[in-house]
Amino acid sequence: KNQVEQSPQSLIILEGKNCTLQCNYTVSPFSNLRWYKQDTGRGPVSLTIMTFSENTKSNGRYTATLDADTKQSSLHITASQLSDSASYICVVSSGLDSNYQLIWGAGTKLIIKP
Amino acid sequence: DTEVTQTPKHLVMGMTNKKSLKCEQHMGHRAMYWYKQKAKKPPELMFVYSYEKLSINESVPSRFSPECPNSSLLNLHLHALQPEDSALYLCASSRLSARGTEAFFGQGTRLTVV
Repeated sequence: KNQVEQSPQSLIILEGKNCTLQCNYTVSPFSNLRWYKQDTGRGPVSLTIMTFSENTKSNGRYTATLDADTKQSSLHITASQLSDSASYICVVSSGLDSNYQLIWGAGTKLIIKP
Repeated sequence: DTEVTQTPKHLVMGMTNKKSLKCEQHMGHRAMYWYKQKAKKPPELMFVYSYEKLSINESVPSRFSPECPNSSLLNLHLHALQPEDSALYLCASSRLSARGTEAFFGQGTRLTVV
């Protein structure tokens, strides 16, 4: 069964600190892996998208890694800001039509405290 | 312009009303999607349009009726909804290619059925 599991479920850190969110997946066939940021009641915003051959990708203070052998990904946030408070969702795309078959993780709810 | 614009942002409707949700993008994307998201759950795919034609209907009840008048616009017509249809409705768009294509999401319409 295709699954995406994220940990931790929630995380509270102080402003300015770094954090790492984890994503494990069992999806076949694999097309790409995305990380989205979603504020409550708003649409998801894409942070990174990685294909099988990419190990790391950065977007400002966000750095995603992908280990296709162990089927694990991480999202590292550097020097957190209050505006980083949101849910971070790992999404794996399966199949050739990469946007038709998206398997969504449950998300990690990140709270940044001043 | 990497925006997907959804209107209205909020909608309250009675179970006998007819209303429409609208989505617009000007990125030249030929794939457009409707998702439904309940609180604390990942988005669920409802419909996919490719080249303005309905390509996927995820067994959505007929009280939801999608329409794609042209390559930039996507509508979702609502009629005789139930209170359990209350949710955040998300529109997304993407290029049509096999791998590594991002899906861009709108900010959503918060629908409440009373």
